[in-house]
Amino acid sequence: NAGVTQTPKFQVLKTGQSMTLQCAQDMNHNSMYWYRQDPGMGLRLIYYSASEGTTDKGEVPNGYNVSRLNKREFSLRLESAAPSQTSVYFCASSDWGQGSYNEQFFGPGTRLTVL
Amino acid sequence: RKEVEQDPGPFNVPEGATVAFNCTYSNSASQSFFWYRQDCRKEPKLLMSVYSSGNEDGRFTAQLNRASQYISLLIRDSKLSDSATYLCVVRPGAGSYQLTFGKGTKLSVIP
Repeated sequence: NAGVTQTPKFQVLKTGQSMTLQCAQDMNHNSMYWYRQDPGMGLRLIYYSASEGTTDKGEVPNGYNVSRLNKREFSLRLESAAPSQTSVYFCASSDWGQGSYNEQFFGPGTRLTVL
Repeated sequence: RKEVEQDPGPFNVPEGATVAFNCTYSNSASQSFFWYRQDCRKEPKLLMSVYSSGNEDGRFTAQLNRASQYISLLIRDSKLSDSATYLCVVRPGAGSYQLTFGKGTKLSVIP
């Protein structure tokens, strides 16, 4: 199993450009998440999808949109990139159910620079 | 008050030392607790869950004090390979799908 995969690994954008970060998991997990990680700020939740067909805002959703394409895939879109969105983006997935400790499994991350 | 607070470090310790990390959380309804490890420029990975009675996994011991809203991680006989950032993580409530991450404590184990 590949676990959680993300594409691309690196990306440089100019201010105002748009792009979509892709994430897929092969663990049959119900829940998927998008985080950003900035120096000194820790991991902050952007959006999450508790189950296929649902999405909810996290702590820092402004400037982003998400799509839960199916149970496996969860994409993050930047419509008009800004330098403040320069960050490392992690996708994660987890199982959910009675007795589950909700461990999250992370992808390798996308390093995004907005000039 | 931040939801999950950790000493950012860095902690620089010699090989073989014992080191302890502490973490406090603000939401008394928090249900589940974890320590994650993050190597430089890598993704976070689960190190261990933290159970109410405390638990041990080899050289690692985790403790939870619900009354004080305090979590700890003890690493004995530190190895060079233990160098990483350790993240304290809390699930805020029974109905929450989310996890709240502390900013992490950086550990460097020195030869």
